Amino acid sequence: DAGITQSPRHKVTETGTPVTLRCHQTENHRYMYWYRQDPGHGLRLIHYSYGVKDTDKGEVSDGYSVSRSKTEDFLLTLESATSSQTSVYFCAISDGGYSYEQYFGPGTRLTVT
Amino acid sequence: GIQVEQSPPDLILQEGANSTLRCNFSDSVNNLQWFHQNPWGQLINLFYIPSGTKQNGRLSATTVATERYSLLYISSSQTTDSGVYFCAVSGNTGKLIFGQGTTLQVKP
Repeated sequence: DAGITQSPRHKVTETGTPVTLRCHQTENHRYMYWYRQDPGHGLRLIHYSYGVKDTDKGEVSDGYSVSRSKTEDFLLTLESATSSQTSVYFCAISDGGYSYEQYFGPGTRLTVT
Repeated sequence: GIQVEQSPPDLILQEGANSTLRCNFSDSVNNLQWFHQNPWGQLINLFYIPSGTKQNGRLSATTVATERYSLLYISSSQTTDSGVYFCAVSGNTGKLIFGQGTTLQVKP
């Protein structure tokens, strides 16, 4: 199994509070991704990174920001959480771009009340 | 962008039965992956198969890129095969796009 961990695994927070989710990998893969999974929408890409300090938006990036200061860590921040951001968040990694196989972390279940 | 359609949306089997899951996509792809999401929510890589045929134990997959479809075969199904099976593809300029999944329930 690819060495990917996510923290926290579960979080409940209130509307308007900031939240940061962490993804950590031990595979030294260049690309890292954040997805959200919602009923009826499947998995959708939020942001991705193609190297340290190199990031770009996915299809559902509004309300989210990311940072990558080290190869192994990719952070997803919700500056002011809203109820619409209640979801399961998955981190993924790949050794190259989209044509390369992606491996997924265990997920973080976030509830915004 | 690329459209991905999976069929059937739901499938119920008795243990020991065989099944075929289908993934249709609307454009040429350079990545196609099959995943199993188990009842605990974990996404497990089954196959990386943008073209050709692969086998892993009771599971096999075939992608016919020229006809824009992929098939996942599950033989002698077990209750642990239950969960949601996702197909995901990416094209030359796009990102990994997931289908809506096939929910499989294997009854003992």
